[in-house]
Amino acid sequence: RKEVEQDPGPFNVPEGATVAFNCTYSNSASQSFFWYRQDCRKEPKLLMSVYSSGNEDGRFTAQLNRASQYISLLIRDSKLSDSATYLCVVIPTSGTYKYIFGTGTRLKVLA
Amino acid sequence: GAVVSQHPSRVICKSGTSVKIECRSLDFQATTMFWYRQFPKQSLMLMATSNEGSKATYEQGVEKDKFLINHASLTLSTLTVTSAHPEDSSFYICSARVIGGGEETQYFGPGTRLLVL
Repeated sequence: RKEVEQDPGPFNVPEGATVAFNCTYSNSASQSFFWYRQDCRKEPKLLMSVYSSGNEDGRFTAQLNRASQYISLLIRDSKLSDSATYLCVVIPTSGTYKYIFGTGTRLKVLA
Repeated sequence: GAVVSQHPSRVICKSGTSVKIECRSLDFQATTMFWYRQFPKQSLMLMATSNEGSKATYEQGVEKDKFLINHASLTLSTLTVTSAHPEDSSFYICSARVIGGGEETQYFGPGTRLLVL
């Protein structure tokens, strides 16, 4: 089983739709979680950290479910500019700061 | 956010040559930088952790003699791909570890696209 798994997609959604992605992780001791966004042929950029209590940043909401070992990203009112690959990142254990990346979920927002 | 630059942004070279990629933190000091490689439609894979003033730590399966890393200052790490071959063609991305406000994160450089002919 991969350490971090994501559905590669693509998720094709119309503008204005709400879309959600999940990411599962295998190490129950994992400490930190992030969502990054990567545009085609560009570097990843931090979208948001994921906190235990869940957190929201504008149209984006991140949740952590430790019992089921997954994190989620919800995007409301999708914009064309949200089209990108969304990468789930996990730091597997405390005392290390190595990022483990998922393969990413590709989102296409259609006009 | 913190700014990390990479140079060159793309390079095409002949098989057997060596290629050096620079990663700089522009407005902060980074004691730790990371080098990743990303093949098409795949995830970023950590190659090595670069620590200022000490030897890099390589991930399993990454040849340290082929991928030479030097982190000589708090703002610069270099990755040299020695005797490059076509299978080394990839997107190489560096990142710098930033700690602040009780959190830590990594800021990524824009990447270097390497094509070995």
